[in-house]
Amino acid sequence: GAVVSQHPSWVICKSGTSVKIECRSLDFQATTMFWYRQFPKQSLMLMATSNEGSKATYEQGVEKDKFLINHASLTLSTLTVTSAHPEDSSFYICSARDYRGARGQETQYFGPGTRLLVL
Amino acid sequence: GENVEQHPSTLSVQEGDSAVIKCTYSDSASNYFPWYKQELGKGPQLIIDIRSNVGEKKDQRIAVTLNKTAKHFSLHITETQPEDSAVYFCAASYAGNQFYFGTGTSLTVIP
Repeated sequence: GAVVSQHPSWVICKSGTSVKIECRSLDFQATTMFWYRQFPKQSLMLMATSNEGSKATYEQGVEKDKFLINHASLTLSTLTVTSAHPEDSSFYICSARDYRGARGQETQYFGPGTRLLVL
Repeated sequence: GENVEQHPSTLSVQEGDSAVIKCTYSDSASNYFPWYKQELGKGPQLIIDIRSNVGEKKDQRIAVTLNKTAKHFSLHITETQPEDSAVYFCAASYAGNQFYFGTGTSLTVIP
């Protein structure tokens, strides 16, 4: 399989500050990355689709000004939680789409996640 | 859009027994069905996947079956071990695009 890393693995911040989370595909280029949010004992909720060199596509109900996504290179996407509040505390997971297989054989690999706690 | 349902939500089995998790999907255009294992505090790990041109795929103790007509697919784990304990998610997508996840199954393997 492929390797996707996230940094930091956990972060604690004060309410009102901004937090940046990095997602990197380590051994392949990913033109498309996805950002998910996961609450305890729940499934993954897609927040946005990040495309290299273009604006991210946000899911309904996700504030694009609150969750800024930048996909500046083929191996890096960042999620910035701006003016974080306690309700933003969650487990954030990215995934990267792997095109290296034959056409129609794409799949996604997930990062290890970032736990955010806003005090 | 796609809707994926997953059952059961929790599953306990004795070590050495088999475990089966089932998912149904609604969109007949979906053609890619991965299964992920998520351990506590970690990201999901791809354990097996199947595409719509095959009906079954096996990898050691893990197998997945797909019934396109009925729009359901299942994960089978044989000879379960305590380290198989985790949350398992199914997903459906078209060509690896947006994934629609099931709600997860918490599997506990009792030694």
